[in-house]
Amino acid sequence: GDSVTQTEGLVTLTEGLPVMLNCTYQTAYSTFLFWYVQHLNEAPKLLLKSSTDNKRTEHQGFHATLHKSSSSFHLQKSSAQLSDSALYYCALYTGNYKYVFGAGTRLKVIA
Amino acid sequence: EAAVTQSPRNKVAVTGGKVTLSCNQTNNHNNMYWYRQDTGHGLRLIHYSYGAGSTEKGDIPDGYKASRPSQENFSLILELATPSQTSVYFCASGDAGLGASYEQYFGPGTRLTVL
Repeated sequence: GDSVTQTEGLVTLTEGLPVMLNCTYQTAYSTFLFWYVQHLNEAPKLLLKSSTDNKRTEHQGFHATLHKSSSSFHLQKSSAQLSDSALYYCALYTGNYKYVFGAGTRLKVIA
Repeated sequence: EAAVTQSPRNKVAVTGGKVTLSCNQTNNHNNMYWYRQDTGHGLRLIHYSYGAGSTEKGDIPDGYKASRPSQENFSLILELATPSQTSVYFCASGDAGLGASYEQYFGPGTRLTVL
């Protein structure tokens, strides 16, 4: 079945260091991938999305590239900021109006 | 700005009681969703709807019912609440299909505690 795997439950980084959050997926449907960010006590919000193979997508300093050959959609940022501390979800559109989310990665940025 | 509201924001219920969580969207989206959020499990789909009058089972529908009486409103009903249903519940709306953004807009969440 369709699934999304986020291998890290918690990532702790020092401010200024690069961010990379992993996301791999499995699907039989055509691929549409998303990253959502959820700050403490807030609702999840779309950070970026892609359906195009090997094309870099950027938003708010974050970027991700969908690689269908490796079924991956990793989230990256060149320099972490304290305000990036949040819960990040990778999600997949599975068709028939449905989505599946990964377990989430909590990013904690420290000074 | 797309808007999804939920009520109540916090709810304490007793085991065996009936709980209704309400969601309203002003985005005119066809699709609406109910998720629960639990640490280690992420967001899991309970029920969804692709239009007024329709409800579909998601990935974890057991113990839950849903109702979509109108384009704007989507309710989640726990007929016999159990402590295992203690969680944070999120409603979302969005559109999928030709020309759609596929983005989901989430409500602020409802924290439900079943004692």
